[in-house]
Amino acid sequence: KAGVTQTPRYLIKTRGQQVTLSCSPISGHRSVSWYQQTPGQGLQFLFEYFSETQRNKGNFPGRFSGRQFSNSRSEMNVSTLELGDSALYLCASSLLPGAGYGYTFGSGTRLTVV
Amino acid sequence: DQQVKQNSPSLSVQEGRISILNCDYTNSMFDYFLWYKKYPAEGPTFLISISSIKDKNEDGRFTVFLNKSAKHLSLHIVPSQPGDSAVYFCAASEGRGGSQGNLIFGKGTKLSVKP
Repeated sequence: KAGVTQTPRYLIKTRGQQVTLSCSPISGHRSVSWYQQTPGQGLQFLFEYFSETQRNKGNFPGRFSGRQFSNSRSEMNVSTLELGDSALYLCASSLLPGAGYGYTFGSGTRLTVV
Repeated sequence: DQQVKQNSPSLSVQEGRISILNCDYTNSMFDYFLWYKKYPAEGPTFLISISSIKDKNEDGRFTVFLNKSAKHLSLHIVPSQPGDSAVYFCAASEGRGGSQGNLIFGKGTKLSVKP
């Protein structure tokens, strides 16, 4: 079966712009989580969605937001981009929420802010 | 303050020998632990997990050991193969039996298995 699909794979944006990243979970998976990976901070949890509701949120400013659609697809948005937002953004899906169900990660979207 | 620490940024092992990757944590509320492997340009791949009610879990060549009193877990790979060369991440979550979805990751250990 198809894995977690993230689009686009690469993105270059200018400081101050906004960006939307997309994630299609594995078919049948209803929980989607987002993570940011940077060389300095490593992998950090952004948010988790289940049944179109945000279940958990990490310690990120309000410029970072997300949503989940009825088909479980998810998007995350970053407004007023800063240079420090340059990172690999990873989406993960699982059948149901919770680490015990295991998470399958996509290959990520590499965002570069210039 | 890092709640999950992988103190060895890198590890080099000969093919066929044992690889031991270590992870320490500080949050006593962590109840579920996972190991992921990551190749360049790919997302992390789940390897093995363990609940706090166990002290060992095996899956083929991979075994995870948990020492709750020491707040320490380790991943053993036996025998190591060149294809195991990757970055390994330790992750933890609160909530009984992994009911919480937000994973706290260590910064990873880069394993190199030499033929």
